[in-house]
Amino acid sequence: DAGVIQSPRHEVTEMGQEVTLRCKPISGHDYLFWYRQTMMRGLELLIYFNNNVPIDDSGMPEDRFSAKMPNASFSTLKIQPSEPRDSAVYFCASSFMREDTWGTDTQYFGPGTRLTVL
Amino acid sequence: DQQVKQNSPSLSVQEGRISILNCDYTNSMFDYFLWYKKYPAEGPTFLISISSIKDKNEDGRFTVFLNKSAKHLSLHIVPSQPGDSAVYFCAASDLIQGAQKLVFGQGTRLTINP
Repeated sequence: DAGVIQSPRHEVTEMGQEVTLRCKPISGHDYLFWYRQTMMRGLELLIYFNNNVPIDDSGMPEDRFSAKMPNASFSTLKIQPSEPRDSAVYFCASSFMREDTWGTDTQYFGPGTRLTVL
Repeated sequence: DQQVKQNSPSLSVQEGRISILNCDYTNSMFDYFLWYKKYPAEGPTFLISISSIKDKNEDGRFTVFLNKSAKHLSLHIVPSQPGDSAVYFCAASDLIQGAQKLVFGQGTRLTINP
């Protein structure tokens, strides 16, 4: 399996521009997560989906952020308009529910997208 | 409000010695804990986990200890090897609120010196 695929790997944009990050989860996984990593706050969960449905978006910082999962093999995280404080590494992860792991399972992370907003 | 805290941003250990990484949490509802390891330019990868019914879990050179009364867990790596140099994230979840919702700490950068 190719693992979780994210694109682009690097994105440099100017303040006010729209940014779209993309993710392809591991085939067969029914959970998809978007995280943001910063020096100050570490790894923060932004939103997660189960079977393509958003379950918890309480980590989304503000209305400028939106995420969609139109099908089981694709998700996007959009920032519009982008601001310099959005500069961070954004990770996508996927997992599946198993009965023998206390209701949870290992999350498999993609390589991340490093976003720089000038 | 950081529910999971890793108070040491960095740690340097000599090869062959023991590395001890610490993690504290504030939410008493957390009942499942994990450690992830991250190399530069890669995503975090799962290392080891422990549920709240245990106080120790071992996997090769890696052992995680959980002290529920102190709301503290630690990861021991022995012996430490140069390939262990990475950032280590502690994470926790509450199986009732949502098993898949992990709360991560800020990470500790471990450097193993030859």
